[in-house]
Amino acid sequence: DQQVKQNSPSLSVQEGRISILNCDYTNSMFDYFLWYKKYPAEGPTFLISISSIKDKNEDGRFTVFLNKSAKHLSLHIVPSQPGDSAVYFCAASWTGTASKLTFGTGTRLQVTL
Amino acid sequence: DVKVTQSSRYLVKRTGEKVFLECVQDMDHENMFWYRQDPGLGLRLIYFSYDVKMKEKGDIPEGYSVSREKKERFSLILESASTNQTSMYLCASSFPDRKIYGYTFGSGTRLTVV
Repeated sequence: DQQVKQNSPSLSVQEGRISILNCDYTNSMFDYFLWYKKYPAEGPTFLISISSIKDKNEDGRFTVFLNKSAKHLSLHIVPSQPGDSAVYFCAASWTGTASKLTFGTGTRLQVTL
Repeated sequence: DVKVTQSSRYLVKRTGEKVFLECVQDMDHENMFWYRQDPGLGLRLIYFSYDVKMKEKGDIPEGYSVSREKKERFSLILESASTNQTSMYLCASSFPDRKIYGYTFGSGTRLTVV
């Protein structure tokens, strides 16, 4: 049972435009969400996170939006750069599981020139 | 620079072999995790450990075991390797408070079982 879903396996965006990556979850107990970025042959690296008490968190070019009622979060990258080409995973956790994260299936972002 | 180090980047093993994947972290993290990454399935948790000699099953523990004798080291053991265990294996560590930037991952071990 996939509790965290990324329904778009891939996304292609032109350099300078906005990239929007989406993530849906089914477990209403989740209260903390993270995005990770992964390059080939490397481990995932932390990108940005958001607590369920917020609906938006920004860090430079990256913004995460959380819609709790829809159980949906999204990652916006503005402007997109070629170095952003990678696989992006969303992840979720809840207080009862301490630091255990449940990951989505990933979205491969390709930023074209 | 803080690190999670996995002993091998690439491994090729034969069906039925016992396989050890080693992971070492230098951040004094209490928690350590083993995931596998497969296309279309994302990252799936195999086992995790909250403390030395403590272990808990994740979502897909069948065919695997783990060992944590020291805080910095977490080993994944494939008791009898099978071809369906061909995958990318990722080790991670974290503090107990998940809000401290989540996990730090190693670079991964690409295991092929033939």
